[in-house]
Amino acid sequence: DVKVTQSSRYLVKRTGEKVFLECVQDMDHENMFWYRQDPGLGLRLIYFSYDVKMKEKGDIPEGYSVSREKKERFSLILESASTNQTSMYLCASSLDFEQFFGPGTRLTVL
Amino acid sequence: DQQVKQNSPSLSVQEGRISILNCDYTNSMFDYFLWYKKYPAEGPTFLISISSIKDKNEDGRFTVFLNKSAKHLSLHIVPSQPGDSAVYFCPSEGTNAGKSTFGDGTTLTVKP
Repeated sequence: DVKVTQSSRYLVKRTGEKVFLECVQDMDHENMFWYRQDPGLGLRLIYFSYDVKMKEKGDIPEGYSVSREKKERFSLILESASTNQTSMYLCASSLDFEQFFGPGTRLTVL
Repeated sequence: DQQVKQNSPSLSVQEGRISILNCDYTNSMFDYFLWYKKYPAEGPTFLISISSIKDKNEDGRFTVFLNKSAKHLSLHIVPSQPGDSAVYFCPSEGTNAGKSTFGDGTTLTVKP
């Protein structure tokens, strides 16, 4: 049974803080993804990774960076959090077409 | 530029009736289509898929139809149950299992 875990369910940060969102999958999947979900905007892809140390920009990469040092872990970094980054962040992993999602992190930036 | 559109943001159906959710896509290179269901405060979960070589795929109460000439995908739920109340997404995949294009989702409410 595939499991994707995210480090926090709820997070509150202040403007300007550096924020790390961690995602771990236990099924040896090659592909990992970070999305954000906002009302009326659906799921939007921030970054994805095909392999260790590989990363590619999604549709909305501005203000974010990622790190994938190990196959099972994909981190999303907000270098200087801003209020417009308040959102639900979802991590996913996949071997082929089907993506397995984590429970999400609700981030609030004050 | 959205490559997948779900034109109905919401749908309300009576329990026991049919729910029909629709997706239109623009990229004719998509060759594999999936539906996901999402409950509040949870990540999406895979529901059903169809490849472009088929026009129908059925799994229990869920059936997905693909009309390639119209670039249209639909999900039928029969009979609808209150537990089906969720947001439904229809991302479309290309030949590479990488970047997915998700629609805005359709919120289905099934009333008891």
